[in-house]
Amino acid sequence: ILNVEQSPQSLHVQEGDSTNFTCSFPSSNFYALHWYRWETAKSPEALFVMTLNGDEKKKGRISATLNTKEGYSYLYIKGSQPEDSATYLCAFLNTGNQFYFGTGTSLTVIP
Amino acid sequence: GAGVSQSPRYKVAKRGQDVALRCDPISGHVSLFWYQQALGQGPEFLTYFQNEAQLDKSGLPSDRFFAERPEGSVSTLKIQRTQQEDSAVYLCASSLYRVIDQPQHFGDGTRLSIL
Repeated sequence: ILNVEQSPQSLHVQEGDSTNFTCSFPSSNFYALHWYRWETAKSPEALFVMTLNGDEKKKGRISATLNTKEGYSYLYIKGSQPEDSATYLCAFLNTGNQFYFGTGTSLTVIP
Repeated sequence: GAGVSQSPRYKVAKRGQDVALRCDPISGHVSLFWYQQALGQGPEFLTYFQNEAQLDKSGLPSDRFFAERPEGSVSTLKIQRTQQEDSAVYLCASSLYRVIDQPQHFGDGTRLSIL
């Protein structure tokens, strides 16, 4: 069984705070790392697809970094807004084209 | 819209019944994935199709689970002789051919409850 771990499990922040969370994955047989945002009652929505060590991606106030050698990725949200409240999932894709999802970080932004 | 469509959204079945869950991927998407999500967990991989070929079914939990995609578009996940532990949300996702650099597009899922 391959472990993809996300921390923290849940997070409450005040509106305007910046925050970050972690996805840890095996450093071997790496192919890609995906981040998804999953709002309640909706389907997961892709944020980033990262393939290269050292990759940094940015979409508005959200950014992500990737370290494939040590097996982690960070997701940052700058100036959190209530609409950022969601579960953030990472998914590790290995060279066998198998996706392994973490259990997610549940973010609540308090107005 | 042109997103991934799953049906039914909710399914309640009695233990021992067979169920069939349908997934309509985005038109032109070659890759199709099925996931099972138990309460409080992340999605767990079940199976993967590239066109009509089922390239990986290592995640199917037992031989009661069967998936097909006969014409390379619509896919059906069938569960025979359902058990209570089969209760979960079943997610379908599709992507363009190159899964390495293409995100998956998810449907809303089918919530299956086995009584």
